[in-house]
Amino acid sequence: QKEVEQNSGPLSVPEGAIASLNCTYSDRVSQSFFWYRQYSGKSPELIMSIYSNGDKEDGRFTAQLNKASQYVSLLIRDSQPSDSATYLCAVNPLNTGANSKLTFGKGITLSVRP
Amino acid sequence: ETGVTQSPTHLIKTRGQQVTLRCSSQSGHNTVSWYQQALGQGPQFIFQYYREEENGRGNFPPRFSGLQFPNYSSELNVNALELDDSALYLCASSLDKDLGAFFGQGTRLTVV
Repeated sequence: QKEVEQNSGPLSVPEGAIASLNCTYSDRVSQSFFWYRQYSGKSPELIMSIYSNGDKEDGRFTAQLNKASQYVSLLIRDSQPSDSATYLCAVNPLNTGANSKLTFGKGITLSVRP
Repeated sequence: ETGVTQSPTHLIKTRGQQVTLRCSSQSGHNTVSWYQQALGQGPQFIFQYYREEENGRGNFPPRFSGLQFPNYSSELNVNALELDDSALYLCASSLDKDLGAFFGQGTRLTVV
């Protein structure tokens, strides 16, 4: 089983719709969860972090974490063409107290149609 | 702007050669991690340096090595390059794990 799994891509939504991106992870002791956005040919950009069960909202983005079910999701409201990118889910497996040693999913490509 | 700078941005090397990639982190970021991202894949953790000591390593052979310097810069060295080493190499730093890792713009390495 892959450590961090992102399935059901690529995703295409019309402008203004809600895009829902899902991620599951295998290590139950994971403590920190991140969503990165990566435009083609660029490096990943951190857009959301979440550490506790429930929802965390930041502008048009909402991250959702359910540790019991071992999934984390990202909702993008009012999707814009500029949101078209690959979204990477990343997990910090251990609460090491040091810098993140992130395990990434493969990513899911989102396309927002004007 | 993440404050993490990598050089060079692009590089072409021949199989069997050696390469050194460089990263400059923000002042005060005493931890740096290196990742390899193959086309169509997520970044894979290579290793991490904390206060100039290796602090964890992913599933990469010993021909991948690194150094971290007191001035918050670091290097990734790869010996005996193979075609499969062609990838985007990313350097990341942060002050604290809970802040997440902030990446530099990456170095695109092509091995021919």
